[in-house]
Formats: sequence, structure tokens, C-alpha cells
Amino acid sequence: KAGVTQTPRYLIKTRGQQVTLSCSPISGHRSVSWYQQTPGQGLQFLFEYFSETQRNKGNFPGRFSGRQFSNSRSEMNVSTLELGDSALYLCASSSRGGHYEQYFGPGTRLTVT
Amino acid sequence: AQSVTQPDIHITVSEGASLELRCNYSYGATPYLFWYVQSPGQGLQLLLKYFSGDTLVQGIKGFEAEFKRSQSSFNLRKPSVHWSDAAEYFCAVGAKDFGNEKLTFGTGTRLTIIP
Repeated sequence: KAGVTQTPRYLIKTRGQQVTLSCSPISGHRSVSWYQQTPGQGLQFLFEYFSETQRNKGNFPGRFSGRQFSNSRSEMNVSTLELGDSALYLCASSSRGGHYEQYFGPGTRLTVT
Repeated sequence: AQSVTQPDIHITVSEGASLELRCNYSYGATPYLFWYVQSPGQGLQLLLKYFSGDTLVQGIKGFEAEFKRSQSSFNLRKPSVHWSDAAEYFCAVGAKDFGNEKLTFGTGTRLTIIP
């Protein structure tokens, strides 16, 4: 089976812009979770989608949003970018989601200037 | 709420030496437990998982981990490390937190291998 894919792999944006990141899960997986990874804060959970419904949400401002499509592909959007949003954004898919094992994509490296 | 502690930020070992990475968790019951590895600029790869049963779990790349309930620990071990094992290692706990099921990750341990 193909693994989790994320596009784009690298992105440079300017403060105030918005960005959309995409994630395609492993075939058959219905859960997609998003994480932000930075050197200072480590891995922080953003949200989880399961069968097109947001099932869980972390402590991030409303500028961070996501959605999941009927084919389980997911997108994450960040509006009004701030310098502190520079990070590696990781997507993970799971057959059961929640507290079960997750399989990660390679990530999207976002740099905000 | 559950929490995970990886007390060692950075560990250096010689190639061929044995390795043990520590992980302690806090949770009211037995959680699901995982170890992941991350190479620079890459995503996380699942090394092994523990749900129940035998407390010694075998994973990929020659790694194993032992669940010790009395110590709330899930330490990762490898008998003989290879230069390719240099990476960052994350312990994770899967549990219910106020009804929400979630994975909580530790802060990671960076492993350096010296020749």
C-alpha cells in the first residue's frame, strides 16, 4: 500500500497570507490527524477528522482549520499567517483514529517570512 | 489527562553498543504505548506498539520495548546500534482524555551514533 502523501513538501509564504496543505491518507484509512512540529514546542496536535467529521481538536487559534473529503483526503488551512506559524506540518492517517496507531506522511515545511 | 516524559533530550552511543531510551507516562489506567522514529526533515515512522498481553514487544529495525506497569515505563532497547539509527525517537501514549481519544507525544530523544 502507498503511504501517506503530503503536498507541497516545502512552502514559503509571507506574513498575512493564507496557505492550504493537502494530505492523502493510506488507502482504506478514514482518520486523518494533523500536527505542528517546531523545535521549541515539539509535536502539537491540531485536529483529527474521521469520515469527514472533526472528531478532536487541539488548542490552536481559529486561524487553523481543516476539512476532510469523502475520499478521506484532508486539507488544512492557515489564514493570516504569522512568523510563529513556521513549522513542519505533519499529517497522520489511521484506520481507527483516536488513540490507536497513526502513520505519518513526510510533512510540509512551511516558512513564513 | 495523560502525559509522557522522555527524560533524556540527547543520547550519544558508540556504534555496536547497546541502547536504552527511557519513557515514562502518567495515566490512570494502562494506555496504548508507541515508539516512533524521525529522521531529519522526515515524518515519523512507527517502530512498535503495545496494546495488551506480552509486556516485551518486538518492533522493526531490531528494536524492542518493555512495558513495566509498576514503573509506568515503556523503555526502548536495541542490543547493537548502527550508524543508521541516528535519529530522533518519540514515545507516545494513546488514551482517553475527558472522553476524547488521542495520542500524546513525548518531547523526543535525539540519538547520536559515534564510530
